[in-house]
This record gives sequence, C-alpha cells and structure tokens, in this order.
Amino acid sequence: SAVISQKPSRDICQRGTSLTIQCQVDSQVTMMFWYRQQPGQSLTLIATANQGSEATYESGFVIDKFPISRPNLTFSTLTVSNMSPEDSSIYLCSASGTLSYNEQFFGPGTRLTVL
Amino acid sequence: AQKVTQAQTEISVVEKEDVTLDCVYETRDTTYYLFWYKQPPSGELVFLIRRNSFDEQNEISGRYSWNFQKSTSSFNFTITASQVVDSAVYFCALSEKGGDKIIFGKGTRLHILP
Repeated sequence: SAVISQKPSRDICQRGTSLTIQCQVDSQVTMMFWYRQQPGQSLTLIATANQGSEATYESGFVIDKFPISRPNLTFSTLTVSNMSPEDSSIYLCSASGTLSYNEQFFGPGTRLTVL
Repeated sequence: AQKVTQAQTEISVVEKEDVTLDCVYETRDTTYYLFWYKQPPSGELVFLIRRNSFDEQNEISGRYSWNFQKSTSSFNFTITASQVVDSAVYFCALSEKGGDKIIFGKGTRLHILP
C-alpha cells in the first residue's frame, strides 16, 4: 500500500493569510486528489491534481482560492488563499493508481484553524 | 449524478452486539466502485473495503462483513460482536470511474458502549 504524508499536520492562521499544504506519496501514483472536511461534516472533493497540467476543480471551488500544484507523480501542494474562519477544516490528500492498486489511500490530514 | 446516502446519522450499541450500517447509492454508470472508510476520533481515514460493481459476492473480514445488493443499490456494512475500539465515524463512498474521484456519504457515527 502507498503511504501518504502531509505537512503541516495542523496550523492556526490569521484571517487574510495563505497556507500551503504539502502532500508526499512514497510511490508513484496516477491520481492525486484534495478533499476538505469541515467540522462534523463529510469529505468534499476540492479538485483533482493533474501532473503537468492545471488541476480540475469541482463545483464551488476555484483556482484563485485553492491553487494546486503537482510537479511530479509523488508530490502535490494545495494552497488555501486569503483565508477566513470558514476555511477552518481538515484538508486531506489522497492518491490512487499504484502498481498494486486496489484502494484509494488518504493522508493523515491537515487540521487548519483560521482566527 | 452520483450520490451516497447514509440514513443513520448516529448509532449506539452495547459492546458485543452486532450492528449494521446502511448505505444506499445512486449512479448511472454500469461500472463503479463502492468503498467503506473508518474515521476514528484521531481523525485519520482508514480504508476498509473497495468493491466493484461486477462483484456482488458478500465479503467477510474478521468481524466485518459487507452485503452488496445491486437490486436495491445498497452496500451495507455489519460489525459482529462489536468492540469499543469500533467507535468511529464510518463513511460509505462511491467512485464512477475505476478509483477516480470518490463521492462520500455524510457518515454514520457509531458509539460502542462498554
């Protein structure tokens, strides 16, 4: 199975600032995704991180607010821009499509609090 | 459009009882994948099972079992002889394109009481 790590694991940020979350997979994967889990809620897909091209965003999410990079097959970043308290959530990275693929793996999440 | 419904928001059972978590899904695709994930209080998401739409065999893994019925679009999860460590939020999820992006249900919070 793939192992996914995220940095930072948690952060407390001020309104109006930006935070970049890193996601590292220990093996090459085909697909990488970013999800948001607001307090007490389910997971919502933000976007698919495409290697070598722009991310594909889901309805309600835009690139200006959540810019995403994926420079190679094992790494991706999500930036939460111009943060407000409503952005306080857990942000999870996931990956699928390894050689032994039979599941989609999730990182441990980044717990973000915006004051 | 795809959709996953977990009608049970919260369930409490006494330890050693059996408990079934319901999941009903909607999709127009003939090829799709169903998942169950566990999210304990620590917050990480733990993969439990992935089942493709062509495999309707029920699956058993230790105390866990899954009942997939295409006729009723359901993929229910049963925990036998529940334990306190089973206390968590359980998410049912659906993917329409071979492990592509996953759509999650709202989750069922399970409390196992000692």
